[in-house]
Amino acid sequence: EVVMTQSPATLSVSPGERATLSCRASQDVSRNLAWYQQKPGQAPRLLIYAASIRATGIPARFSGSGSGTEFTLTISSLQSEDFAVYYCQQYYNWPPCTFGQGTKLEIK
Amino acid sequence: EVQLVESGGALVQPGGSLRLSCAASGFALSSYEMNWVRQAPGKGLEWVSYISSDGSTIHYADSVRGRFTISRDNAKNSLYLEMNSLRAEDTAVYYCARGWRSYDYWGQGTLVTVSS
Repeated sequence: EVVMTQSPATLSVSPGERATLSCRASQDVSRNLAWYQQKPGQAPRLLIYAASIRATGIPARFSGSGSGTEFTLTISSLQSEDFAVYYCQQYYNWPPCTFGQGTKLEIK
Repeated sequence: EVQLVESGGALVQPGGSLRLSCAASGFALSSYEMNWVRQAPGKGLEWVSYISSDGSTIHYADSVRGRFTISRDNAKNSLYLEMNSLRAEDTAVYYCARGWRSYDYWGQGTLVTVSS
């Protein structure tokens, strides 16, 4: 099973600033990686798939990069609605797909 | 509008059984693979089970294999999860999610609590 490790666990950023979230896979997953956003009491929402493709309706301020074992989600200019928990997911070595433990993005 | 609505969550005793349902609308369920993903209170996401669009291919997480059964009724636009021999560690919000490997639509979830 591929273990996904996200860092940092909590990230404090001011509105309008850039946020950079990291995700590392325990083995090569090529570009088979997705990012999700989850707000309290809500279901996860798909942001990015195939490492860098934005899902339908996702603003351009969200971008994904990386391949192999190292991945990054960047939010270029944080809006108030972006403060949430973010999860990465690998689906290269599937089943099972596996999720990271999450990064909480909080207001500084 | 695509909608997934789960139901069937409840408080159940250890060793008990429960059947979750997921009603799909706004798209043809028969054209999509579907999954169940769960989230224990205050924890991260855990994939539980997958079923292909026609039901011919099914996969389970090791943690539930032999106890849970996924199924679907495309004519009724519904997905199901039959859960037996429930354990305390199965306590979670259970989401149905559309997709093959990444999941573009999720339901709002239904809470399953396993406790005596």
